Amino acid sequence: NAGVTQTPKFQVLKTGQSMTLQCAQDMNHNSMYWYRQDPGMGLRLIYYSASEGTTDKGEVPNGYNVSRLNKREFSLRLESAAPSQTSVYFCASVQGPGAFFGQGTRLTVV
Amino acid sequence: DAKTTQPTSMDCAEGRAANLPCNHSTISGNEYVYWYRQIHSQGPQYIIHGLKNNETNEMASLIITEDRKSSTLILPHATLRDTAVYYCIVRVANYGQNFVFGPGTRLSVLP
Repeated sequence: NAGVTQTPKFQVLKTGQSMTLQCAQDMNHNSMYWYRQDPGMGLRLIYYSASEGTTDKGEVPNGYNVSRLNKREFSLRLESAAPSQTSVYFCASVQGPGAFFGQGTRLTVV
Repeated sequence: DAKTTQPTSMDCAEGRAANLPCNHSTISGNEYVYWYRQIHSQGPQYIIHGLKNNETNEMASLIITEDRKSSTLILPHATLRDTAVYYCIVRVANYGQNFVFGPGTRLSVLP
């Protein structure tokens, strides 16, 4: 009963490096989201995917790309990491009233 | 912009009811009120949601005013484990509709 699984849990990158954050859900949900949360603030939407094969920009998409690989998986890619992207990243899947969140990826860009 | 207004922080004594208010004066007729909480740095956790009727589940009760411009989340017997940031969100219940998280209310349950 995994729910939403994010990998990795922690990551340190150097400025300019690239990486992909992985998210997978086992609840057969249509919609998936990527958020970031900076210290003391609420979550801000980066990108979302309403259904398999579709993606849309959220509030803060600059510097990120996403791929909805299949119904289960929604990945977030940083092509050239910047210190401003230091944050905690949360993936969520949504069905009906509930949004189910992963445990987050703590990313530090130095 | 978040469509809700919540107090920044609240305290509650352990074992007492915690009443968390939320104002959503611009809510539309097809928007639901959702409550989530975030314990420490974990992912947000769903608590309850409602449209216009009061709702109750095993975690909490949700009281929505008749004009739907405000609501209150009630934790009937708060425990130390209920210390968290509580988010009130209004949202149309459709696929693809975003959850807009404001700063929330930081609830501290005191022994």
